Parts: sequence; structure tokens; C-alpha cells
Amino acid sequence: KQEVTQIPAALSVPEGENLVLNCSFTDSAIYNLQWFRQDPGKGLTSLLLIQSSQREQTSGRLNASLDKSSGRSTLYIAASQPGDSATYLCAIQSIKKTSYDKVIFGPGTSLSVIP
Amino acid sequence: SQTIHQWPATLVQPVGSPLSLECTVEGTSNPNLYWYRQAAGRGLQLLFYSVGIGQISSEVPQNLSASRPQDRQFILSSKKLLLSDSGFYLCAWNRLATNEKLFFGSGTQLSVL
Repeated sequence: KQEVTQIPAALSVPEGENLVLNCSFTDSAIYNLQWFRQDPGKGLTSLLLIQSSQREQTSGRLNASLDKSSGRSTLYIAASQPGDSATYLCAIQSIKKTSYDKVIFGPGTSLSVIP
Repeated sequence: SQTIHQWPATLVQPVGSPLSLECTVEGTSNPNLYWYRQAAGRGLQLLFYSVGIGQISSEVPQNLSASRPQDRQFILSSKKLLLSDSGFYLCAWNRLATNEKLFFGSGTQLSVL
């Protein structure tokens, strides 16, 4: 059974710092991994999707890496801004034999960027 | 372009009343559809997912049910709500054939009193 964990649960940093959020998963039979952002009371917005054959994806100040063999992904945010304050969740789309399976989320990391 | 609609945005219901939340997707065909619940201060819990019309997989035992009467319509229902059903309900879709991102609706905040 796939389990997804995220460390730390909460993070507070001063504006301008670079930071890393971590995601771990127990089953390496994945189809893809995604990083999402959620603002309070809102739906989720997909930031980056890494396919199982890829090692990283970049979008602006965001860089996500994937190491399937160790069951880990990191989300790197460069030069953090107060507008980056939100909860960040990682999610795994699993593969079950030859069919696709559900998307499972980690508990999230709550990020606060202090001006 | 594809869009996902979810309604209502907020709902206050008494214990024991029925529930129907609707989600529709536009601009795509044969999507995978998902219902998630997010309780206050907790992570996203997958409730149901569907790979096609009439095909529903349930993740957790509960008094909720889901139906997919049309390709791009996903409905979450309950005959009798419990206090523990309160939470933020999110509908989502993706298309696995092209390894696309998971897109979410704006959510329904359900309060059962």
C-alpha cells in the first residue's frame, strides 16, 4: 500500500531564502509525482509533474526532483517571497500491474515566508 | 481549454439530511475523476475515483456514495449525513493516457450541524 509522507510539517523562513521541501513514498511503482500548492480555503493548483522516467522538472523559481529508487522527491523554491506562503502537497499516481491507479497525497508542508 | 465545475461552494446541512454534490468537467473526454475530502487541519483523503461511466472505486468505508452517470459528471451523495462528514470536498480530474496533471475544482465546504 502506497504511503506518502512530507517533512517538515511546517516551515517559516525569511523572505529571500532558498528552501527545500521533502516528500517520501513507500512504493516505487509510480506513474508520476506531482507537487501542488493550496491556499487556505481554496482548491489545489498543480505546480509541477514529474513522470516516472524523469528526474526533475523546473518552472520559474521552482525545481522538483524525483529519485524513484529511494522513494524521495524534493521541491526547491529559490528566493522565496511572501506570496509563496501556502501549503505544499506532493501526490503520487501509482501503477497497479498494467493499469493506472489512484492519486495519493502527502499531508503537506505549511510554508510561511516572512517579509 | 478544459475546466472543472464544482458546486455548491458552501453548504450547511443538519445531521440526517441527504447530500448531493456535483462535479462536471468540460473540454475533455474520458477523464479519470476523483472525490477527496479534507477535514480541518488534516490531509487530503481519497474517497472515490472513477476511470469510466459506472465504474466507481471506493477507498474508505463510509456512508457516502458516488456515481458517474455521464462521462464528465461525478456526483457525491449521502442518504443521511453524520457530523463527521463535515469537511472540504474536492473534485479532481486527469487523463492518464497523456500523463497529464491532476486538476481540481474550487471545493465545497460542508458543515453538518
